Amino acid sequence: AQSVAQPEDQVNVAEGNPLTVKCTYSVSGNPYLFWYVQYPNRGLQFLLKYITGDNLVKGSYGFEAEFNKSQTSFHLKKPSALVSDSALYFCAVSFASGGSYIPTFGRGTSLIVHP
Amino acid sequence: KAGVTQTPRYLIKTRGQQVTLSCSPISGHRSVSWYQQTPGQGLQFLFEYFSETQRNKGNFPGRFSGRQFSNSRSEMNVSTLELGDSALYLCASSLMGGKEETQYFGPGTRLLVL
Repeated sequence: AQSVAQPEDQVNVAEGNPLTVKCTYSVSGNPYLFWYVQYPNRGLQFLLKYITGDNLVKGSYGFEAEFNKSQTSFHLKKPSALVSDSALYFCAVSFASGGSYIPTFGRGTSLIVHP
Repeated sequence: KAGVTQTPRYLIKTRGQQVTLSCSPISGHRSVSWYQQTPGQGLQFLFEYFSETQRNKGNFPGRFSGRQFSNSRSEMNVSTLELGDSALYLCASSLMGGKEETQYFGPGTRLLVL
């Protein structure tokens, strides 16, 4: 069965410091991995995705994620955090079902960036 | 290009009532998915529609139903509302629902059941 885990409910980081939001997955076959961000009272916004190719994926707003097949991880990173990065972050893995691909989301990690 | 729109944005109902939520996908997108988001359960997949057909369904009771029209607009209906149905209902669209495709989310409809 496909699954995705975000082991941290909350991550705290000081502005200007690097941040990492962790994600591990379990999926048969090749994984299709996504990161989304949700700001308060808003829908989810796409950040980046890994389909194939380079293990380091660059996305929106300076975020990047590293795909590690041996550790089945897809951690989200940013070299220098901004207060405006404070939001809820979701990792998702897409798997085949009924002729289409349904994303399964992690429970989300609340990122808090302190000034 | 206009994004995914959902109406209404906020809704208050009482137990036992029914509710219909609407979603208009991005122009050209044929796959529409619905999710329920609650603090306790996180994001849970409800169902996906493609070309007016329900292609996938999550683990929700039959009180939750949906449909898709020929213009790809979708509605979901919840009958006999329960307190536990209070949630943010998100709609997402993509071109075909393919494995590489990004889901584009609407702002959601926040439903409160009293």
